[in-house]
Order: sequence, then C-alpha cells, then structure tokens
Amino acid sequence: KAGVTQTPRYLIKTRGQQVTLSCSPISGHRSVSWYQQTPGQGLQFLFEYFSETQRNKGNFPGRFSGRQFSNSRSEMNVSTLELGDSALYLCASSPTQPSREKLFFGSGTQLSVL
Amino acid sequence: AQSVTQLGSHVSVSEGALVLLRCNYSSSVPPYLFWYVQYPNQGLQLLLKYTSAATLVKGINGFEAEFKKSETSFHLTKPSAHMSDAAEYFCAVSYNPGNTPLVFGKGTRLSVIA
Repeated sequence: KAGVTQTPRYLIKTRGQQVTLSCSPISGHRSVSWYQQTPGQGLQFLFEYFSETQRNKGNFPGRFSGRQFSNSRSEMNVSTLELGDSALYLCASSPTQPSREKLFFGSGTQLSVL
Repeated sequence: AQSVTQLGSHVSVSEGALVLLRCNYSSSVPPYLFWYVQYPNQGLQLLLKYTSAATLVKGINGFEAEFKKSETSFHLTKPSAHMSDAAEYFCAVSYNPGNTPLVFGKGTRLSVIA
C-alpha cells in the first residue's frame, strides 16, 4: 500500500509569488491534515479536510488556503509568499474522522522563499 | 488551550544507555497523548499513543511511555539506546479527537553517541 505522497519534494520561490503543494493520501483515507514545520516553532496545524470539507483551521493568515478533491487528494496554496513562509510542509492522512487516532505523514515539501 | 511542553530541545545519550525524553501537557480533561518520531528527510511516524486504557504504553522499536495524571506527564523511555534511534521526537496531545487537531510539542532531537 503506497504511503502519503507529497509533491514536489523541494520548491524554491521568491517573495510575492504564490505556490501550490499537493498531497495524495493513502488509498481509502478520507481525512487530510496539513502542518507547517519550522525549527523555531515546531509543527503548527494549518487545516484539516474530510470529504472535501474543511473541518478545522489553524491560526494562519488568509494567504494560506487549501482544498480537498473528491478522490481525497488535497492541495494547499500560499499566496504572496513571505520569507517567513520558508518551512517544511507536512501532509498527513487518516482513514476516517476523527483523525486523531493515528496520522500517517508524508515526507513533506521543503519550501524555500528567497 | 491545550498544549504540550517538551523539556530539552536536544538530548544526547551513549549507545546502550537509557533514553528519557520528557513531555508535559496542560489539561482539564483526560487527554489523548502521542509520541511521533521523525528521521532525517522523512515525515513523522507514530511511536505510541495513550487513549485512556493502560497507563504504561508500549510502542515500536522498544519505546514505551507512562501516563502520569498527577504529574501531567507522558515521558518516553527506552532502556538501551541504539544508533538508529537518533532522530527528532515529538509529543502531541488531543483533548477531543472528534473535533480538535493534534497539538505538537516543539520536538526533542536525540543524538546517540557510539
């Protein structure tokens, strides 16, 4: 069974640009969560989707958005990139909601903003 | 608000020595507690979880953790460290698995010295 797949693995952007990250959950998983990981702040929750609906949202500005498709694949978008957005973005999936029993993480997308 | 505190951002032990990684949580209700491990350039992997059953929880790779309500702690231990245990370890908490996402601590990096 394939794991959680995140693309691209690495991304370099400049300030002001926008970026879209993709996450394909484990087959059969319907819940997808996104986290931002930085050395100073650790893992911070961005949002969670279940059956194409956003269930929870973290404390991030509106420049951060996401969506989930009918096949459970999810994308997150960051507009007007800032230097502070440089981070590892992790996606996690779980079979059902509630999703807190066990999360399966992808390897992440490393975003560098120059 | 729910939170976890991991004492020590970096812990170094000798191979064969006891591993002790500390985690304290804030709670007014029974929590669900988790330990995740992150190896370099990888996502997080669940080590073990506490969900109000036995207070001593055994996980993968020889790790275990004990839930102590009186101390609001969920420390992670392993009797004998192995070189392959070198990684970053995250404690996480959820108070309402049906509605609230996991909140992670800032992580503890474990180094194992030969």
